[in-house]
Amino acid sequence: NAGVTQTPKFQVLKTGQSMTLQCAQDMNHEYMSWYRQDPGMGLRLIHYSVGAGITDQGEVPNGYNVSRSTTEDFPLRLLSAAPSQTSVYFCASSHGQGTGGNSPLHFGNGTRLTVT
Amino acid sequence: GEDVEQSLFLSVREGDSSVINCTYTDSSSTYLYWYKQEPGAGLQLLTYIFSNMDMKQDQRLTVLLNKKDKHLSLRIADTQTGDSAIYFCAESKSGGYNKLIFGAGTRLAVHP
Repeated sequence: NAGVTQTPKFQVLKTGQSMTLQCAQDMNHEYMSWYRQDPGMGLRLIHYSVGAGITDQGEVPNGYNVSRSTTEDFPLRLLSAAPSQTSVYFCASSHGQGTGGNSPLHFGNGTRLTVT
Repeated sequence: GEDVEQSLFLSVREGDSSVINCTYTDSSSTYLYWYKQEPGAGLQLLTYIFSNMDMKQDQRLTVLLNKKDKHLSLRIADTQTGDSAIYFCAESKSGGYNKLIFGAGTRLAVHP
């Protein structure tokens, strides 16, 4: 059981380049989300999805797109990378509504992105 | 997350107790969580408390919740070097679905 798998682990982009961060889970979780982690700021929610075909914005969605064509996959797209998007990105998933410890968020190991 | 505040660093001696504090703002939060992040890894759920509870104990971990002051704490008894990590407090916003708001994290350093 792999859990939540993120690729790549590391990426360096030039300003203006585009790329897709991949996230896949094999736990049949309905809910998937993307966070970015910046020093001194904790994790901030970028986008989330409550099921295939359904996505919504979090706290900091600007500059990012998502889609959810399958239950398993939730890619995050940077259309035109900017230095402000240098961060560590985490994908997380859970069952249903997320009732406390019964269905906690499961996190991937993160993608460290640097934009020069 | 500006809604959840934590101190950034805590240093303790091995064998002592550690207390990590957190304040939150949303009085309607249903659950409050503590996550642990080890270097190079994602976050793992340590424990959580439902908002109608005052205290929860789980082996070496004790969570205290003061709803009046919107204050949450995590006590780790007999702290070990393996407890060195970043600890995140998080609150669940209304609307369910694990839309968690995280604090900035407290880096716990355990020294001999």
